[in-house]
Amino acid sequence: AQKVTQAQTEISVVEKEDVTLDCVYETRDTTYYLFWYKQPPSGELVFLIRRNSFDEQNEISGRYSWNFQKSTSSFNFTITASQVVDSAVYFCALSDFTVGGYQKVTFGIGTKLQVIP
Amino acid sequence: DADVTQTPRNRITKTGKRIMLECSQTKGHDRMYWYRQDPGLGLRLIYYSFDVKDINKGEISDGYSVSRQAQAKFSLSLESAIPNQTALYFCATSDPQPGNTGELFFGEGSRLTVL
Repeated sequence: AQKVTQAQTEISVVEKEDVTLDCVYETRDTTYYLFWYKQPPSGELVFLIRRNSFDEQNEISGRYSWNFQKSTSSFNFTITASQVVDSAVYFCALSDFTVGGYQKVTFGIGTKLQVIP
Repeated sequence: DADVTQTPRNRITKTGKRIMLECSQTKGHDRMYWYRQDPGLGLRLIYYSFDVKDINKGEISDGYSVSRQAQAKFSLSLESAIPNQTALYFCATSDPQPGNTGELFFGEGSRLTVL
């Protein structure tokens, strides 16, 4: 069975601080996908990134960066120089991998990030 | 207009009532999903469908049923609503083909309150 653990339920930081959101996953599959989604206070779910299990390169997109470590089954998300607009709930997710795409996506419980001005 | 549309967006009902949440999409995706979101529990998969003839239970399907009326439509029903089904429900689609991001495209959510 797949499992995603986001141990930090709530984090508060002061604007401009860096913050890292942790994600640890469990799967028996050798190939799989990992995702991060953002849910701002307005409620919609916004896709941020997908990472394949066979691609362990870290990724940076503006102030966002992701660190994928297969050895520790972690896929952590760092926001550099946080802004108030980063305040949201962030979900880490895991899916299996089959020919033609994954079957289903399992989400963590989410980490609520509050950035204080 | 949104690519994935859910109706109703908000609904208050009473215990024992039958409720249907509808989802339609214009993305042309075969795969559709229903998730429920509860505080502290994240998003949990209720049902998913890979085409009109393929429907699968998720982790919390008890008390729910679904219908895939067409490629573009996927409805979630609560035959006899109970208070612990009070939650925010999301419909989603995906097209996880090579070359795509494989992301889920979510509707705006349907907030259901069962009194």
